[in-house]
Amino acid sequence: EDQVTQSPEALRLQEGESSSLNCSYTVSGLRGLFWYRQDPGKGPEFLFTLYSAGEEKEKERLKATLTKKESFLHITAPKPEDSATYLCAVQAGGTSYGKLTFGQGTILTVHP
Amino acid sequence: DTGVSQDPRHKITKRGQNVTFRCDPISEHNRLYWYRQTLGQGPEFLTYFQNEAQLEKSRLLSDRFSAERPKGSFSTLEIQRTEQGDSAMYLCASSVKNEQFFGPGTRLTVL
Repeated sequence: EDQVTQSPEALRLQEGESSSLNCSYTVSGLRGLFWYRQDPGKGPEFLFTLYSAGEEKEKERLKATLTKKESFLHITAPKPEDSATYLCAVQAGGTSYGKLTFGQGTILTVHP
Repeated sequence: DTGVSQDPRHKITKRGQNVTFRCDPISEHNRLYWYRQTLGQGPEFLTYFQNEAQLEKSRLLSDRFSAERPKGSFSTLEIQRTEQGDSAMYLCASSVKNEQFFGPGTRLTVL
């Protein structure tokens, strides 16, 4: 069974204090690993897709990396507007039809 | 707005009542997914449609739940005889390739 574990559960940062979020996964044949941002009361917003170990993607202050067992979401010089829950999900290959298996998320709070 | 839309955004019902939610995917997205999310957890997969065919259902989807996508466009999710444990956010997502784009969700509260 596919499994995703995110750590830490919650992270409090000062504005400008860089840090990383972790996503550990086990999946039968990884088709893709996805990062989403979710604001309270809203649906998840797509950020990145990573397909193979060693791949990196960047968007503004966010950078996602992938190894064979985990992914990291690096946040450089965060701002208060980066406060949200960050979700990691995996998509298995084969006949899974593309369903996503999510972790429980990391709640990020950035204080001014 | 060309994103995924869901209706209603909020639904409060009494235990035992039936409820129906609607999802309108992004135009030309042939894949449609339903997920359920409870407080403090990530979304959990419920069911998947490719065009009008329902190709996968989770074990979470008991026989009180039914989903349809009659013409391969919008989809409905019905819950019969609601229970308090059904209280959650119901999310719809659509895709044409691997990336799934989510709607704003329907928040269901069962009293």
